[in-house]
Amino acid sequence: EAGVAQSPRYKIIEKRQSVAFWCNPISGHATLYWYQQILGQGPKLLIQFQNNGVVDDSQLPKDRFSAERLKGVDSTLKIQPAKLEDSAVYLCASSFLRQGEQFFGPGTRLTVL
Amino acid sequence: EDQVTQSPEALRLQEGESSSLNCSYTVSGLRGLFWYRQDPGKGPEFLFTLYSAGEEKEKERLKATLTKKESFLHITAPKPEDSATYLCAVQAGGSQGNLIFGKGTKLSVKP
Repeated sequence: EAGVAQSPRYKIIEKRQSVAFWCNPISGHATLYWYQQILGQGPKLLIQFQNNGVVDDSQLPKDRFSAERLKGVDSTLKIQPAKLEDSAVYLCASSFLRQGEQFFGPGTRLTVL
Repeated sequence: EDQVTQSPEALRLQEGESSSLNCSYTVSGLRGLFWYRQDPGKGPEFLFTLYSAGEEKEKERLKATLTKKESFLHITAPKPEDSATYLCAVQAGGSQGNLIFGKGTKLSVKP
């Protein structure tokens, strides 16, 4: 069974530029999560989708972050404009059940200069 | 506020030297407690889910236990390949399923 796929694996941008990350969850997993992991910290939830609907985006900085999952499968997370403090690893996870085990992708390491 | 605290932050062991990692939590109605392993440059890898106090789960050299206030990850006779950061996370009963993570314990096992 293929795992969660993410791209790109690494991205370096200047502050105020925009960037987008892509995630393809495990086949059949209806719930998709985006987490932000700052160096030395545990992952922190940004947004959760159930199929193509948003379940929880309470911790998403909506003035600069946006995410979509139009067809209920893959998802895109965008940052526009990026700030220095957005430097982190962005992890995508998926689960079969909403309260079930979450399986993570390899992450995208973002560096904002 | 739901919170997870892991200790120690870092742990160095000799190969074969057993030890335990601690995860203390405060949560409004625990739905589940999760342990993950994270290697450098990789995403967290699922290890265990515990649902109720007294529950135990084992996988190779790892054993996870749960009480009403904390969880322990026991590592028996560790090997260098067990070196990684171990993350603990809780899922609150009233949540939509999102996990609240601790900062992790970085384990180094020397041969």
